[in-house]
Amino acid sequence: LAKTTQPISMDSYEGQEVNITCSHNNIATNDYITWYQQFPSQGPRFIIQGYKTKVTNEVASLFIPADRKSSTLSLPRVSLSDTAVYYCLVGALPPGGFKTIFGAGTRLFVKA
Amino acid sequence: DAGITQSPRHKVTETGTPVTLRCHQTENHRYMYWYRQDPGHGLRLIHYSYGVKDTDKGEVSDGYSVSRSKTEDFLLTLESATSSQTSVYFCANRDVQNTEAFFGQGTRLTVV
Repeated sequence: LAKTTQPISMDSYEGQEVNITCSHNNIATNDYITWYQQFPSQGPRFIIQGYKTKVTNEVASLFIPADRKSSTLSLPRVSLSDTAVYYCLVGALPPGGFKTIFGAGTRLFVKA
Repeated sequence: DAGITQSPRHKVTETGTPVTLRCHQTENHRYMYWYRQDPGHGLRLIHYSYGVKDTDKGEVSDGYSVSRSKTEDFLLTLESATSSQTSVYFCANRDVQNTEAFFGQGTRLTVV
């Protein structure tokens, strides 16, 4: 399974765009990139997934460069309610094959 | 949330006693997982199952066992609880055709 590296924490202000980058230098050809969000006292929740280039849904965008060794989760115009931990996962479909492996995540704190 | 129910939601137990946590799903997804979450460690995979009676170890399986006698239930057992097993435990499931994992609300276990 490809190892991922994310910043431990980030701060932002309401209304700003937030970009969280994840490094995965050992990503394999069959691996997909998936992001989860976790609020305190809740289980993680799926945000977005992609293989290459750009993916966008109603919540976020995911940018993946051609070499796929990194990816960037973009949250447009964050609000206080986006304060959470964000996890980047890399693995074969389904994510991680049989396993779904989480790293330590990035703690995003949005200020008023 | 793919119909996942964890029970109990909170438990306090004494060192050396056996403890069983239950994860019940209503969706009949093939894959099920148990994670523990501790401050500074994110989510760590304990055990997972890829079918009835098919289970395997995750990264922190020592001191834990699991059983899956039917599709809908995945049990996590601490044979002899220790204080180091005080944690929040999350169960998750995922369908074969789905790239997204769904999580339960967690069980907070305290071993005193």
